[in-house]
Amino acid sequence: RKEVEQDPGPFNVPEGATVAFNCTYSNSASQSFFWYRQDCRKEPKLLMSVYSSGNEDGRFTAQLNRASQYISLLIRDSKLSDSATYLCVVNLSGNQFYFGTGTSLTVIP
Amino acid sequence: DGGITQSPKYLFRKEGQNVTLSCEQNLNHDAMYWYRQDPGQGLRLIYYSQIVNDFQKGDIAEGYSVSREKKESFPLTVTSAQKNPTAFYLCASSRQGGAETQYFGPGTRLLVL
Repeated sequence: RKEVEQDPGPFNVPEGATVAFNCTYSNSASQSFFWYRQDCRKEPKLLMSVYSSGNEDGRFTAQLNRASQYISLLIRDSKLSDSATYLCVVNLSGNQFYFGTGTSLTVIP
Repeated sequence: DGGITQSPKYLFRKEGQNVTLSCEQNLNHDAMYWYRQDPGQGLRLIYYSQIVNDFQKGDIAEGYSVSREKKESFPLTVTSAQKNPTAFYLCASSRQGGAETQYFGPGTRLLVL
């Protein structure tokens, strides 16, 4: 079983739509959680950390559900510039980071 | 500007050749990492280093070697023992090891001739 699993998509949504991604993790001892954004043939860039209480940054909201072992990312009012691959990252302990394969999002005009 | 740089952007390797990928950071970060990304797969850890002159193997270290002689630099050598080296190689750093946020360099794309 993979440490981190994501629906690869692709998600194709119209501009202005709300879209949500989920990511499940297998190890209940996981400590820290992140969402990264990766554009085609570029490096991943931190979108936001995910805190137990949930957190919001503009149009982006991240949630953590430890009981069900998943994290989510909600994007409201999608923009064309949101088109990218979104990576879920889980830190188990120390330097053990596990990356999901990514969810592809295309926002359509 | 502070950040992480990787060079070259593209690298071609001949059969049996060792090649070295450069990674430099001026963020004063203690920890540095090397990952490999293949299509349809998540990033996989090759090596990491939490402090100068010390490094540990990640999940896929076979066929690779690293050094950490300076805090700013963490070069990766892809040896001839790595039979499937074609991939996108990403270097990252963080303030310390552990759960600190990682920041990535722009990557090096390695292709085998």
